[in-house]
Amino acid sequence: QVQLVQSGAEVKKPGASVKVSCKASGYTFTRYYLHWVRQAPGQGLEWMGRINPSGGVTTYAQNLQGRVTMTRDTSTNTVYMELSSLRSDDTAVYYCARYYGAFFDFWGQGTLVAVSS
Amino acid sequence: DIQMTQSPSSLSASVGDRVTITCRASQNINTYLNWYQQKPGKAPNVLIHAASSLQGGVPSRFSGSGSGTDFTLSISSLQAEDFATYYCQQGYITPYTFGGGTTVEIK
Repeated sequence: QVQLVQSGAEVKKPGASVKVSCKASGYTFTRYYLHWVRQAPGQGLEWMGRINPSGGVTTYAQNLQGRVTMTRDTSTNTVYMELSSLRSDDTAVYYCARYYGAFFDFWGQGTLVAVSS
Repeated sequence: DIQMTQSPSSLSASVGDRVTITCRASQNINTYLNWYQQKPGKAPNVLIHAASSLQGGVPSRFSGSGSGTDFTLSISSLQAEDFATYYCQQGYITPYTFGGGTTVEIK
């Protein structure tokens, strides 16, 4: 069965960086794009970007350009999302999600990133 | 970017009620519109994709319609497990934007 398992919660100080992992299993890793979506406390869903696990090509949300980097490791079927220069408004639950055709069909369990001095 | 506007932002309803949520796109997205349900502390779960296709395993009381810019999600007879927040999402072009969400609460 398809599973996306994310790394654990993180607490970071403003200005630091965080790297969240998402390990995929149960399907051919290189066949589907993986995306990252975040949700601030009590707020809606915000698309952050995507990576093609086959070639590593990425597309990022314009408001995160320059601060977000998505990478993949095909030897471990894992994608990573690194966010730098963290601010308090980056506090959120970060989800990875598989894109199947034109919708998100499987999601990770979410990773809470808290940014606080 | 394509803006997705959902209404209402919240509603109160009783078990057995029919509920309708609307989503409007700021430009034509054909039928590249998906609906998700999210419960507290959980990841979203797809209900409807391509505007009207019911995802496998989703109860038939959920239905979707629309094309172009205007879409609806309907729940024919609300059940206790349907109290949650619902989001629309356009899959037409990146950035894949979401609506602001509709919280369905118990009356």
